[in-house]
Formats: sequence, structure tokens, C-alpha cells
Amino acid sequence: EPEVTQTPSHQVTQMGQEVILRCVPISNHLYFYWYRQILGQKVEFLVSFYNNEISEKSEIFDDQFSVERPDGSNFTLKIRSTKLEDSAMYFCASSQGQIYGYTFGSGTRLTVV
Amino acid sequence: AQTVTQSQPEMSVQEAETVTLSCTYDTSESDYYLFWYKQPPSRQMILVIRQEAYKQQNATENRFSVNFQKAAKSFSLKISDSQLGDAAMYFCAMWGTSYGKLTFGQGTILTVHP
Repeated sequence: EPEVTQTPSHQVTQMGQEVILRCVPISNHLYFYWYRQILGQKVEFLVSFYNNEISEKSEIFDDQFSVERPDGSNFTLKIRSTKLEDSAMYFCASSQGQIYGYTFGSGTRLTVV
Repeated sequence: AQTVTQSQPEMSVQEAETVTLSCTYDTSESDYYLFWYKQPPSRQMILVIRQEAYKQQNATENRFSVNFQKAAKSFSLKISDSQLGDAAMYFCAMWGTSYGKLTFGQGTILTVHP
């Protein structure tokens, strides 16, 4: 069964450093998303991406965050200058059509120290 | 805006028994979809079941079924013949046509006792 692949599974970074989280969505999917989950808390929407541009973003997704689909297969989330409160599990998801639900990756656990 | 509420932080069930997880939601939309996701200890989010709001018939996927009460804005998940592998965090979620993104509830941790 097709799956969404995220790398790395765990990343530790120093506060103020830039991180790039990588995702390979399912190949025939058109919609791409990033969500995050702070440990023990609810899953929060960050950004959606369709037709090579951001379609929607949350208040969390400020100027420190950016997304890219550089080569038609990868979908990346960049955090320019990480803060301690960015520590969370980051999930990438894709969907063929949003009404069918999203397929999530296994997540990247980001730890900012 | 749309909101999803799961009022049960934790539930437990004996193996082979049935358990129901509650979910309520609020939306002004008429066209929306509801989902239950399972998050096992591996942390991956797995789609369990999906319900279209315009359908009166409750969705069923093997041992998983929903009780969709549109007027009450309630969407509960019933797990029959519970198995040890069902132990996970379960999230209720909704997607609305105008809102355009999946909104999650707080989650319910399900423990299955042998």
C-alpha cells in the first residue's frame, strides 16, 4: 500500500538553528500538509499546499516557517531559527482529494535544546 | 470555524469486549466529512473510518463502526471484539468544504486489557 515517507524520524537541534524536515507524499496525491503534535496534546494544522503554492496556513505558521516542493516528489518544511517551543512531532500528510481523508507519514520528532 | 471535542481522555476495555469512544463537533457547514484516526505507540496516524455527513447510514469497517447523530453533532466510534492491537490514541477529526482542512479532537487513549 502506498505510504507517505518522512525523514529523519528524529532530529535534535540547537535553539536558533535551521532545520529541514523532509517528506515524500504519495505520488498521485495533489494536496499536501504539515501538522504538528506537541507531546500529549492535540494534532495542530500548520499548512496546506496545492498546485505548487500554499493554500492555507495557521497562526503557528509564521515567518520562521516555509514549505517547498522542489522537485515534484519531495515536500519540505523548513524552520529558520528554531525555538524550544518548536519541539514536537511533525507529521506530513497527503491526499488525493480532501474528502477522502489524509494519509499521514510516521512523523519526525523534533527536539530543540 | 469548526471544532471537534473528545471528552474522554482515557478509556479501557477488556479484550474481546466492545468499547465506544465519544466525539462531538461543531460546524456551520452543511457539507463535511468525519474521520477517526488511530495513533499507536509508533506515532503514525492511521485512518480507521470515514463518514460523509450527507449519508444517514453509519459507516462500518470490519470491527469498527460509527454512530453518527447529525442533529446532535455526535460521531462516536464503536470497537467490537477489542484486540490488544487496538490499544492506541484515537482522534476524531472533521473536514469541511469551506474550512478546507482537517481539524482534530484532543484524542482518547484506549487501553485494552488481556
